[in-house]
Amino acid sequence: SQQGEEDPQALSIQEGENATMNCSYKTSINNLQWYRQNSGRGLVHLILIRSNEREKHSGRLRVTLDTSKKSSSLLITASRAADTASYFCAVYTGTASKLTFGTGTRLQVML
Amino acid sequence: GAVVSQHPSRVICKSGTSVKIECRSLDFQATTMFWYRQFPKQSLMLMATSNEGSKATYEQGVEKDKFLINHASLTLSTLTVTSAHPEDSSFYICSASVAFVSTDTQYFGPGTRLTVL
Repeated sequence: SQQGEEDPQALSIQEGENATMNCSYKTSINNLQWYRQNSGRGLVHLILIRSNEREKHSGRLRVTLDTSKKSSSLLITASRAADTASYFCAVYTGTASKLTFGTGTRLQVML
Repeated sequence: GAVVSQHPSRVICKSGTSVKIECRSLDFQATTMFWYRQFPKQSLMLMATSNEGSKATYEQGVEKDKFLINHASLTLSTLTVTSAHPEDSSFYICSASVAFVSTDTQYFGPGTRLTVL
């Protein structure tokens, strides 16, 4: 079964607004990663946060991780139309040595 | 750096035929490659993990005789969908990593859209 459940499933915002996506998972992890996927395309790695980290920033992206709640959030600030895509979280468990992806959030940023 | 390509990007085939999809790491040696499947508006599901020179490890529920994976070199892995049927129509994505560094860093290919008529 999938590790990550993301919410919301879909999010529609105006350009300039912030977008927040959440991811919950079930077991212990080594790290959690966020990816972006434009329609019909491959995945672009956005950010990786390790289990001993609580927050990480990269440009307009801010990721938090709460291992006690087994949840993570991705915040995109000052969104742009080009941010329109699906966003997936993926958890990496060292014992399994593989990534397990969440259900994804489809973000639409309107002009 | 760390570019992964897939070929073809799109393929349409008739039911019952076999289709081969290639995954190449262009500027690094990939000791481990992963194959994922993605249905429309759904997440990626790992199908199998392949290590160069050894047999692939398939996820539960994935038929190894239907989805043949070969990882004969450090830069190439192939997925062959044998006797394809319409239900095999999907988006197939590969990724590659350097295992002795870490498999948590995977570089993804652009995907292959398979349509079986």
